[in-house]
Amino acid sequence: DAGVIQSPRHEVTEMGQEVTLRCKPISGHNSLFWYRQTMMRGLELLIYFNNNVPIDDSGMPEDRFSAKMPNASFSTLKIQPSEPRDSAVYFCASSLAGTAYEQYFGPGTRLTVT
Amino acid sequence: SQQGEEDPQALSIQEGENATMNCSYKTSINNLQWYRQNSGRGLVHLILIRSNEREKHSGRLRVTLDTSKKSSSLLITASRAADTASYFCATGPISSGSARQLTFGSGTQLTVLP
Repeated sequence: DAGVIQSPRHEVTEMGQEVTLRCKPISGHNSLFWYRQTMMRGLELLIYFNNNVPIDDSGMPEDRFSAKMPNASFSTLKIQPSEPRDSAVYFCASSLAGTAYEQYFGPGTRLTVT
Repeated sequence: SQQGEEDPQALSIQEGENATMNCSYKTSINNLQWYRQNSGRGLVHLILIRSNEREKHSGRLRVTLDTSKKSSSLLITASRAADTASYFCATGPISSGSARQLTFGSGTQLTVLP
């Protein structure tokens, strides 16, 4: 298996633009997680899906953030409109079933909003 | 505040020496996991120890868990320059219905000098 795939790897955009991050989890994994990592706040969980259903989105910072998982092999995280404070590395991770098992992380998307 | 807190924040050792990192947490857990993150990369799962386990080994890694003290330690023996990375502990809650899922600490930056 290729592991968790994220695209793009790098994104530079101007404030106010829409940004869409994409993730393909490992085949057979039922849980998918979106994290954000910054120097100031460390690694933060944004949203968690189980069997394509959002279980907990309390980590989503604002209404500008939205995430979808239309099927078991694809998820998106959208920021609209983007702001400079959204600049961070966004990771997608998947696991067999929730937090009882190890999570496999993608390489991340480094987002810079100018 | 973070559920898991690593100590020390930074550690610098010579190649061949052992490295010990500690993690403390606040609430009861189902499991505790250690991850490694190389600069610019995603997190890589190292080892998972369940709440009913006290010690676990994987290659040069040894993890202990003391649930009475709510603490864990990660020992890397015979360190190599390639072990240079940030190491995170993450705690899995007992209840899968909790608002927050796997909670990561702020990490220990390990530098192994050749």
